[in-house]
Amino acid sequence: QSALTQPASVSGSPGQSITISCTGPSSGVGNYKVVSWYQQHPGKAPKLIIHEDSRRPSGVSNRFSASKSGTTASLTISGLQAEDEADYYCCSYVGSNTLVFGGGTKLTVL
Amino acid sequence: QSQLQESGPGLVKSSETLSLTCTVSGGSISSSAYYWSWVRQPPGKGLEWIGNIFYRGSAFYNPSLRSRVIISVDTSKNQFSLSLSSVTAADTSVYYCARLAGSWDLDSWGQGMLVTVSS
Repeated sequence: QSALTQPASVSGSPGQSITISCTGPSSGVGNYKVVSWYQQHPGKAPKLIIHEDSRRPSGVSNRFSASKSGTTASLTISGLQAEDEADYYCCSYVGSNTLVFGGGTKLTVL
Repeated sequence: QSQLQESGPGLVKSSETLSLTCTVSGGSISSSAYYWSWVRQPPGKGLEWIGNIFYRGSAFYNPSLRSRVIISVDTSKNQFSLSLSSVTAADTSVYYCARLAGSWDLDSWGQGMLVTVSS
């Protein structure tokens, strides 16, 4: 199955907001179902920050929010902080007990 | 929250079989609420889902790897395992085991283990 498409990189200054998009292919739209988002700092395991399209796990900052419309899911980080600098991945359940990841987005806090 | 830990050889020769085990602690692998997953990440690259297994043994694989992958579970040891055959340098990656919740999110991860394929 095709990977989800994310921008390779985004950047923002402390206190600003940024949005990372995650797009499924134009065909087979209905195959891209529930989306989750992961944060990964260098040398560390990924951490779940959003599940079921827009829900935050307990303990995740409310500066992280997400939405989904049609074939595009989006992650927004508000009030950027230095600690947010990391790689971010979207992931979707595509049916038949299979998952697909986006290519990842490197967030730089300027 | 379950804790997961990968173990196995960190170096595998090309054309041989990579074998890793994930030990789950702090919860039972036999819970009907979860699947158990393997994900890998080549150095400097993105995440790739390898496959999932349920405690009763039903497994599902990434189509691109299906011909070479077997994921198995040992409920008596609270472990699940990954076997990847006919490896090449392209299989050099950090391999993560993770818990897959019913809402299709990977909510708990092992620390990861680098496996290098040598020629």
